[in-house]
This record gives sequence, structure tokens and C-alpha cells, in this order.
Amino acid sequence: KAGVTQTPRYLIKTRGQQVTLSCSPISGHRSVSWYQQTPGQGLQFLFEYFSETQRNKGNFPGRFSGRQFSNSRSEMNVSTLELGDSALYLCASSTWTDGVSTEAFFGQGTRLTVV
Amino acid sequence: QKEVEQNSGPLSVPEGAIASLNCTYSDRGSQSFFWYRQYSGKSPELIMFIYSNGDKEDGRFTAQLNKASQYVSLLIRDSQPSDSATYLCAVRQDNAGNMLTFGGGTRLMVKP
Repeated sequence: KAGVTQTPRYLIKTRGQQVTLSCSPISGHRSVSWYQQTPGQGLQFLFEYFSETQRNKGNFPGRFSGRQFSNSRSEMNVSTLELGDSALYLCASSTWTDGVSTEAFFGQGTRLTVV
Repeated sequence: QKEVEQNSGPLSVPEGAIASLNCTYSDRGSQSFFWYRQYSGKSPELIMFIYSNGDKEDGRFTAQLNKASQYVSLLIRDSQPSDSATYLCAVRQDNAGNMLTFGGGTRLMVKP
């Protein structure tokens, strides 16, 4: 069974640009969550999508947005990039059993560097 | 603010010893608890999860949960150099989808 796939693995962008990251969850998983990991702040929750609807949102500015498609693949977009957006962006997928979310499995991440 | 606290370490143990990793959380609404292992430059890997008070064993790993004390721990028996990594504790509230709150992680070093 294939795991969570994130593309691209590495990105270098310039301040002010925008970027789109992609995540394909484990087959059959309908929940996709996004996290930002930095040395200073650790792993922080960005948002979660389930059945194309945003279920939860973390405490990040509106420059961070996401969406989910009918095949459960998800994208996140960061507009007007700032140096502080340099981070490892992680996607996690999970499914639901008896109305409860199962454990989350992470993809390899996308390393974004803003210069 | 919902917080998850871990000692950043490094926690150094000799090969073959038991490594004990601890995590406290502030939100009493937390219902599910997870331990992830993260090697340098890699993504987090789920190694244990626990939902009920008590112990849960899986191979060399034992997770312990005490909701009254808001405390969750991970024991690694017969530690190996390959266990050297950062261990992340994560908690989740019920009805919070899969929104995880992570601790800062404990760096474990297992010395041969």
C-alpha cells in the first residue's frame, strides 16, 4: 500500500512569490492535515480537510490556504512568501472508523526555502 | 493555550538500556495520544498510540497514559543505536478531526 506522497520534495522561492504544495493521501484515506515544522516553533497544525471541506484551521495568517479534491488529494498554497515561511511542510492522512479519526501518517514533506 | 511539554534532551542511554520519554499536556479534553519518531532530515513516523489509561505494549515499545495526571510516557526497552532520533508526543481532542498538538520533542541518543 503506497504511503502519503508529497510533491515537490524541495522548493526554493523568492520573497513575495507564491507556492503550491501537493499531497496525495494513503489510498482510502479521506482526511488530510497539513503541518509546518521549523526549528524554533516545532510542528504546528495548519489545517485539515475531510471530504473536500476544511474541518479545522490552525493559527496561521490568511496567506496560508488549502483545498481538497474529490479524490482526496490536497494542495496548500502560500501567497506573498516571507523569509519566515521557510520550513518543512508536512502532510498527514488518516481515515475514520466508527465516527472517530484514526491515526495520522505523514508524508516525506516538502522543504521550502524562501530567499 | 493548549500545550504539550517534553524535555528537549538530549537523553543519553547506553545500548541495551531502557529509555524513558515523558510528556505532559495541559488540555484535559485531550483523548488520544501519539508517539512519533523523527530521524534528522526525515518526516515523523508513528510508533505508538494510546487512547485509554494504562499501558500499551508493542514490541520493545510501551506507552503509558495517566489522564488524571495529564501525563503520557514512552518506554523503549533494549535500546539500540538505531533508536537515536527525536521522539515527538502528540495529543488530540475528541471531535477535533485529526488536529494534533505536538510537543517540542525529546532527542534520544543511544550509545553503543
